[in-house]
Amino acid sequence: AQSVTQLDSQVPVFEEAPVELRCNYSSSVSVYLFWYVQYPNQGLQLLLKYLSGSTLVESINGFEAEFNKSQTSFHLRKPSVHISDTAEYFCAVSEYNFNKFYFGSGTKLNVKP
Amino acid sequence: EAQVTQNPRYLITVTGKKLTVTCSQNMNHEYMSWYRQDPGLGLRQIYYSMNVEVTDKGDVPEGYKVSRKEKRNFPLILESPSPNQTSLYFCASSPGTDIPTNEKLFFGSGTQLSVL
Repeated sequence: AQSVTQLDSQVPVFEEAPVELRCNYSSSVSVYLFWYVQYPNQGLQLLLKYLSGSTLVESINGFEAEFNKSQTSFHLRKPSVHISDTAEYFCAVSEYNFNKFYFGSGTKLNVKP
Repeated sequence: EAQVTQNPRYLITVTGKKLTVTCSQNMNHEYMSWYRQDPGLGLRQIYYSMNVEVTDKGDVPEGYKVSRKEKRNFPLILESPSPNQTSLYFCASSPGTDIPTNEKLFFGSGTQLSVL
């Protein structure tokens, strides 16, 4: 089974500052990687994903994540955060058949004015 | 509107009293799955279903049952709930298991269950 580690349970940051949310996974076999975002009292929504191809993937709201196979990492970054980015972010991994998904413990991003 | 609907939103029950949490999707998705979310543990997969009458265990299936008699519905059954099943539960669906359609999960709004 996969193991997904999000070391930072909470990340406080001021508005317009850059942020990085870290994610590491355990397996060296081919995996597919995802970041999901959960706003208060809502279900999770897909933010971005890596399936194949370019190791740098971007979302429509300015987030990006880079797949690093040698370090088994998929860190999420944003150069300038907004108050509206306040949410909990989950890194997830799926293996080849997409039947099982493994989620990290989540990182709460708190953007302060 | 395309959505995954869970009911109830909140549920308080007592130990041993059988309960069912319903999940329905209107997107004709083949794949459905149940997760529980606990603080510090993230989401853990309970059961999943690849199609009607096809279900399989996730990482934490003990104490839960599921059924998939119709494509749109995937109820989660707790035959004899215990306090350690107090959690936030999410149902999710996706189009299918063939790459690349299954890579995006659509989540319901969650069911907060408290077992006293």
